Amino acid sequence: DGGITQSPKYLFRKEGQNVTLSCEQNLNHDAMYWYRQDPGQGLRLIYYSQIVNDFQKGDIAEGYSVSREKKESFPLTVTSAQKNPTAFYLCASGSPGQGLREAFFGQGTRLTVV
Amino acid sequence: AQKVTQAQTEISVVEKEDVTLDCVYETRDTTYYLFWYKQPPSGELVFLIRRNSFDEQNEISGRYSWNFQKSTSSFNFTITASQVVDSAVYFCALSEAGSGGSNYKLTFGKGTLLTVNP
Repeated sequence: DGGITQSPKYLFRKEGQNVTLSCEQNLNHDAMYWYRQDPGQGLRLIYYSQIVNDFQKGDIAEGYSVSREKKESFPLTVTSAQKNPTAFYLCASGSPGQGLREAFFGQGTRLTVV
Repeated sequence: AQKVTQAQTEISVVEKEDVTLDCVYETRDTTYYLFWYKQPPSGELVFLIRRNSFDEQNEISGRYSWNFQKSTSSFNFTITASQVVDSAVYFCALSEAGSGGSNYKLTFGKGTLLTVNP
């Protein structure tokens, strides 16, 4: 089946540790995105990538890092520099072309710092 | 810069009532796309509709309908005869065409929590 797979669904991290969230898509989409969701805040863009080996910061990139070595994969690392990492993280992919015409989302990863 | 405002934070209705979710957007581009997504308690975002800026026709899909008005920069979503299964957070989003293809991203509103009571 085509789609976007995020793993794990739930993730617990100790303070001071880096953690990497996985996002894989088999939709042959060029663009991939990471969003963070907090209660009452909607979805805020962390990083996005329009093409392999290239990515841009979104609105809240501080404390996060990404890589885009393969078209299918766009992992997000939450570093120890991220002050408040507990949140719900959503990955998306899409086909840009005169604007983003479609975007499909994974099931999300809920990260909790303990 | 693009911006999406969903002024209604929460709405509560009784089953079978009609309900309209408001969405107002800001953009400098003449070419853009508007979206509505549904987020049930499971967390995954479910795509509902996309509308491009050149198509102002309203659309109906079953109990769902959308009213796009460029004059007021609004893209409102109406659920007719609401059901308990419609309970979810609904997000409106905007994607601009951007300059040189470098700005293809979705900007979301803060969402509206709809609760449909039996």
